[in-house]
Amino acid sequence: GAGVSQSPSNKVTEKGKDVELRCDPISGHTALYWYRQSLGQGLEFLIYFQGNSAPDKSGLPSDRFSAERTGGSVSTLTIQRTQQEDSAVYLCASSLVGTGSTDTQYFGPGTRLTVL
Amino acid sequence: AQKVTQAQTEISVVEKEDVTLDCVYETRDTTYYLFWYKQPPSGELVFLIRRNSFDEQNEISGRYSWNFQKSTSSFNFTITASQVVDSAVYFCALSEEGDDKIIFGKGTRLHILP
Repeated sequence: GAGVSQSPSNKVTEKGKDVELRCDPISGHTALYWYRQSLGQGLEFLIYFQGNSAPDKSGLPSDRFSAERTGGSVSTLTIQRTQQEDSAVYLCASSLVGTGSTDTQYFGPGTRLTVL
Repeated sequence: AQKVTQAQTEISVVEKEDVTLDCVYETRDTTYYLFWYKQPPSGELVFLIRRNSFDEQNEISGRYSWNFQKSTSSFNFTITASQVVDSAVYFCALSEEGDDKIIFGKGTRLHILP
C-alpha cells in the first residue's frame, strides 16, 4: 500500500507569511507525528496525534505553530508569521497503534520549507 | 532525561570496508526502545530496526548487524562489506515506555567511496 505522503515537497515563502503543510498517513494508522529537521541537526519532535485524544503539543516551539488532524486521517501543520529560523524539513510519520515506544513509525518524504 | 549521542558526525570509508556507527543513549527508565533509521539522499527516513531494553541479543540482517550493550548504554550499528548505496545519514533513536515521542540523535553521515 501507499506510504506516508506529504505536500508540498518544497515550499518557499517570505518572512511573515503563513504556511500550511499537509500529511497523509498510511491508511489504517491511528497515530500521526510531526518532526522538524533543521540543517545539520537531528529530528525534533513537534506534535503527536492519537485517535480522538487531545494531541501532545509539547514539542511545538512557539504559539506560531499549530496542527490539526481532521477525521483521524489527514493532518495540517500551520506556521503563522514565518521566521527565517523556521526554515527546515518538516517530516510526518504515522504508526499503526501509537505510543512510539511500542510501535514503529513510518516517515514521509518531508516538506522542505525555506523562509526568505 | 532522554538523550541520544552519535559522536561521529561524518565517516568516509572505501567500498567493501566494514564500518561501525556508534550510538550511546541515556535514560532512567528500565523499559525503553532503541531504533536505527537510514536517511538516503532522497530524504525519506527508512526504518531499519527496533529493539526493546529487555532483549540484548545482537541482531544480524544481511550485511547489517546491531550490537546492544546495556552495560555501556550503547546500540552500535555495523555495516559489513559496505556498498556505495549505503551512503546516507543514519539516525539512532530512543523512546521510553509509554512515551509517544522518539528522541533522535543528530545522525552520522556515512560516505562510501567507490
